[in-house]
Amino acid sequence: EPEVTQTPSHQVTQMGQEVILRCVPISNHLYFYWYRQILGQKVEFLVSFYNNEISEKSEIFDDQFSVERPDGSNFTLKIRSTKLEDSAMYFCASSFPGGGHSYNEQFFGPGTRLTVL
Amino acid sequence: AQKVTQAQTEISVVEKEDVTLDCVYETRDTTYYLFWYKQPPSGELVFLIRRNSFDEQNEISGRYSWNFQKSTSSFNFTITASQVVDSAVYFCALSAGGSYIPTFGRGTSLIVHP
Repeated sequence: EPEVTQTPSHQVTQMGQEVILRCVPISNHLYFYWYRQILGQKVEFLVSFYNNEISEKSEIFDDQFSVERPDGSNFTLKIRSTKLEDSAMYFCASSFPGGGHSYNEQFFGPGTRLTVL
Repeated sequence: AQKVTQAQTEISVVEKEDVTLDCVYETRDTTYYLFWYKQPPSGELVFLIRRNSFDEQNEISGRYSWNFQKSTSSFNFTITASQVVDSAVYFCALSAGGSYIPTFGRGTSLIVHP
């Protein structure tokens, strides 16, 4: 069964460093998403991406964040200058547009745990 | 704006007990979707169910059942005869207003003791 994959599973970085989190969405999916979950808290939406541009973003997704689909398979989240509070689990998700009243089901990856020291 | 409330932060039960996880939602939209996800200790999010606002039929899947009540804006989740492997954090979520972006509740941590 096709699945969303994410690498690395755990990333440790120093405050102020740039990190890139990678995701490989399901191959025929067209919508891509990033979510964040600070330890012990709820999952929060960061950004959605469609047709090579951001379609929706939350207040969390400020200028420190960027997303890119550098090739036909990867979808990346870059944090330019990490802060301690960026420590969290980051989930990638992808979906295929449903026709008519079909729901645009999102499939989540296993997550990347980011630790900023 | 949408809101999901999971009032139970943590529930502890002994194996074979039935347990119900509560979820109350708020939205002004008439078309919306409700979800439950399971997050085991390994951290991934496992999709359990999706319900749309026009389908109030309760659903049963093995030991899992869901009770959708529009009158009380609730979408509760019951595990019958709980098992240790059910130990996880369970999230209820809502998407509405034409957006497919779910708003998650804070989650309920379920601990099932042998």
